[in-house]
Amino acid sequence: DIQMTQSPSSVSASVGDTVTITCRASQDVSRWLAWYQQRPGKAPNLLIFAASSLQSGVPSRFTGSGSGTDFTLTISSLQPEDFGTYFCQQANRFPSLTFGGGTKVEIK
Amino acid sequence: QLQLQESGPGLVKPSETLSLTCVVSGDSISSDRNHWGWIRQSPGKGLEWIGTIFHTGSTSSNSSLKSRVTLSLDKSKNQFSVKLTSVTAADTAVYYCARTLYYDFPYGAYMDVWGKGTTVTISS
Repeated sequence: DIQMTQSPSSVSASVGDTVTITCRASQDVSRWLAWYQQRPGKAPNLLIFAASSLQSGVPSRFTGSGSGTDFTLTISSLQPEDFGTYFCQQANRFPSLTFGGGTKVEIK
Repeated sequence: QLQLQESGPGLVKPSETLSLTCVVSGDSISSDRNHWGWIRQSPGKGLEWIGTIFHTGSTSSNSSLKSRVTLSLDKSKNQFSVKLTSVTAADTAVYYCARTLYYDFPYGAYMDVWGKGTTVTISS
């Protein structure tokens, strides 16, 4: 199975800061990576698919990049509503899907 | 717009079978591009993919659960279901259903619409 490792496990930042979250795959997953935000008590919400494609309705301050084994989610100009836990998910080894362990983002 | 709603018992006894249904509204469950997945999240933990049922009715499931999982589609009711047999306390989780799309089938799966989730506790 492909393992997904996220770092950091948590980050605290101020409104207006830039936050960067990384996701590393144990094997090459090409560009088949998605990112989700999950607020407490809510279902995950899709942000990015195919490594860098922004889901409709998601603010442009969310940017995804990377390919192969190393991926990044960047939140530019952090907003109060961006708190929550962020998960990456690989989709290269059909049909198996695996998620990263999550990165908790807190607003200072 | 597309909406998904999970339903099922909130409490299941150990060794019994957990059965959940996801009702789909706003789109056809049979549409060619629509596939349907189940994902769970144990208390305080991350997300675990349970399985996917494709619009054709074929299924795939997590190898760690494979022998215990059954996925099915009911096109007449526009809903899909999951059954997990021989449950233990480790199966206690919030269970989500989600639409699964593929950027370039069979690669690039992502879940764009999720249900709100249903909490299932395994306890006697």
